[in-house]
Amino acid sequence: NAGVTQTPKFRVLKTGQSMTLLCAQDMNHEYMYWYRQDPGMGLRLIHYSVGEGTTAKGEVPDGYNVSRLKKQNFLLGLESAAPSQTSVYFCASSSIDLRGNEQFFGPGTRLTVL
Amino acid sequence: AQSVSQHNHHVILSEAASLELGCNYSYGGTVNLFWYVQYPGQHLQLLLKYFSGDPLVKGIKGFEAEFIKSKFSFNLRKPSVQWSDTAEYFCAVVNYGGATNKLIFGTGTLLAVQP
Repeated sequence: NAGVTQTPKFRVLKTGQSMTLLCAQDMNHEYMYWYRQDPGMGLRLIHYSVGEGTTAKGEVPDGYNVSRLKKQNFLLGLESAAPSQTSVYFCASSSIDLRGNEQFFGPGTRLTVL
Repeated sequence: AQSVSQHNHHVILSEAASLELGCNYSYGGTVNLFWYVQYPGQHLQLLLKYFSGDPLVKGIKGFEAEFIKSKFSFNLRKPSVQWSDTAEYFCAVVNYGGATNKLIFGTGTLLAVQP
């Protein structure tokens, strides 16, 4: 099993450009999440999904959109990138467990917006 | 709202020193607690977790954590650190029984172990 994979690993954008980050998991997990990690701020939840076809806002959703058309994929889109979106983005997934199961993380995407 | 506090932002230790990293959360209900570790340039990995039962939880690589409900704390400990423990450590909490399994992370503690 590859676990959680993310593409691309690195990207540099100019302000105003758009891009999509892809997250894929092969563990048949229902739940998927997108986080951003910034120095001194830990990980903050951007959007999440509790199943195919569903998405919901997290703590810092502004400027991002997501889609979960297939159970194994969770896409994060930036429609008009801004320098404040320079960050490392992590995707995670977990199984259905109302006790709060472990989340498995991808390797991250380092995004720089100039 | 739930929050997680990690009071130590940077910790520098020599090899063989003992480690204790603090973690406090603010939620009155039943919670599940986690410690994740992020080695330089890598993704987050689970170090240990507490769901119920014995409040002293043992994880990988000799780490352990103690859940003290009355203090809303879940401190991470290791008796003797190694240079390879240099990493960033994140405490996280999730509301037991919540429908979304959303983790709330602390801001992280950067541990540097000097050889």
